[in-house]
Amino acid sequence: DAGVIQSPRHEVTEMGQEVTLRCKPISGHDYLFWYRQTMMRGLELLIYFNNNVPIDDSGMPEDRFSAKMPNASFSTLKIQPSEPRDSAVYFCASSERIGTQQPDTQYFGPGTRLTVL
Amino acid sequence: GQNIDQPTEMTATEGAIVQINCTYQTSGFNGLFWYQQHAGEAPTFLSYNVLDGLEEKGRFSSFLSRSKGYSYLLLKELQMKDSASYLCAVRSQNSGNTPLVFGKGTRLSVIA
Repeated sequence: DAGVIQSPRHEVTEMGQEVTLRCKPISGHDYLFWYRQTMMRGLELLIYFNNNVPIDDSGMPEDRFSAKMPNASFSTLKIQPSEPRDSAVYFCASSERIGTQQPDTQYFGPGTRLTVL
Repeated sequence: GQNIDQPTEMTATEGAIVQINCTYQTSGFNGLFWYQQHAGEAPTFLSYNVLDGLEEKGRFSSFLSRSKGYSYLLLKELQMKDSASYLCAVRSQNSGNTPLVFGKGTRLSVIA
């Protein structure tokens, strides 16, 4: 398996522009997580899905952020409009169903480094 | 609330042993994970503890005391490639594949 795939790996944009980050989870994994990592705040969970359904989006910082999972093999995280404080590394991770593996390890993608000027 | 504390930075010598501590305060507990993250890369799974005691995996071991809200990661025979950040993460709910809460990580530098 190729692992979790994210694109783009790097994104530089100007304040006010729309940014879309993409993720393909590992095939067969029913859970998908979006994280943001900064030096100040560490790794923060933004939202997670189970079987394509959003379960908890309490970590989404504000309405400018939205995430979708239209099918089991694809998810997007969108920021509109983007602001300089959104600059961070955004990771997508996936894990298997409950009970099929102990521990139910999360596998991370390589991340997207976002810079908003 | 939920809180996970780890030292920010540590330095150790090649060939030595280092212990990275993690203390947590969460509303529930259903497992503690350690992840390794090299600079510019994604976190990768190292170890998992759900019961008290020591789990050994090669040069790496992880210990858990649920009553004390405490874990440590022990790295033996340190190598230069072990220079990385080590993230402690706790699953705070009592069932299911629920989200992990991550500490800010401990940046370990291994020197010759």
